[in-house]
Amino acid sequence: ILNVEQSPQSLHVQEGDSTNFTCSFPSSNFYALHWYRWETAKSPEALFVMTLNGDEKKKGRISATLNTKEGYSYLYIKGSQPEDSATYLCAFINSNYQLIWGAGTKLIIKP
Amino acid sequence: DSGVTQTPKHLITATGQRVTLRCSPRSGDLSVYWYQQSLDQGLQFLIQYYNGEERAKGNILERFSAQQFPDLHSELNLSSLELGDSALYFCASSEWDTSIGELFFGEGSRLTVL
Repeated sequence: ILNVEQSPQSLHVQEGDSTNFTCSFPSSNFYALHWYRWETAKSPEALFVMTLNGDEKKKGRISATLNTKEGYSYLYIKGSQPEDSATYLCAFINSNYQLIWGAGTKLIIKP
Repeated sequence: DSGVTQTPKHLITATGQRVTLRCSPRSGDLSVYWYQQSLDQGLQFLIQYYNGEERAKGNILERFSAQQFPDLHSELNLSSLELGDSALYFCASSEWDTSIGELFFGEGSRLTVL
């Protein structure tokens, strides 16, 4: 993988259900991975900065895991709420400190 | 509130004109990044400044220029505007000179070129 790919592109989830989505990135020259939440009509807000293989981070109902050897990170949301509706962006930072953004996963929570 | 301030929030202008967008970074942050988000597009990196010096350059057009002043605020100048320049322009700041730390985004300046 040469680029940063996020899947799925969009996701509709029933309120109360849990969900997850993926960020895939080059497995070589890894330095760090960021996750951001971008709500409509607002600006992106950092969720997690992940640097170590096997890292797991958690903030409330949202958690993320990192596998640098295979080049992916998962973002999990437990018990989705309407306020979780947003676009979730990942950003890969390589060893040259270049930041490459994924296109995002748009999450829509249905009440 | 991220602590990053962008002005103006909205701007409507005509083709061929020139505008300046302003960004004040979070207190203590030395890096300022400029991003463009066009309709249905992701974040396109334009340029980064660190402590007054250009640090990295992305897909910034020659008609666009930026600078960071001694007080660390930054300005993005867009000239000879075209319809396709209509977009949301975000500024983000960071304490680092590279992209290793999280970025703090302003609320954006929405530019409409008519």
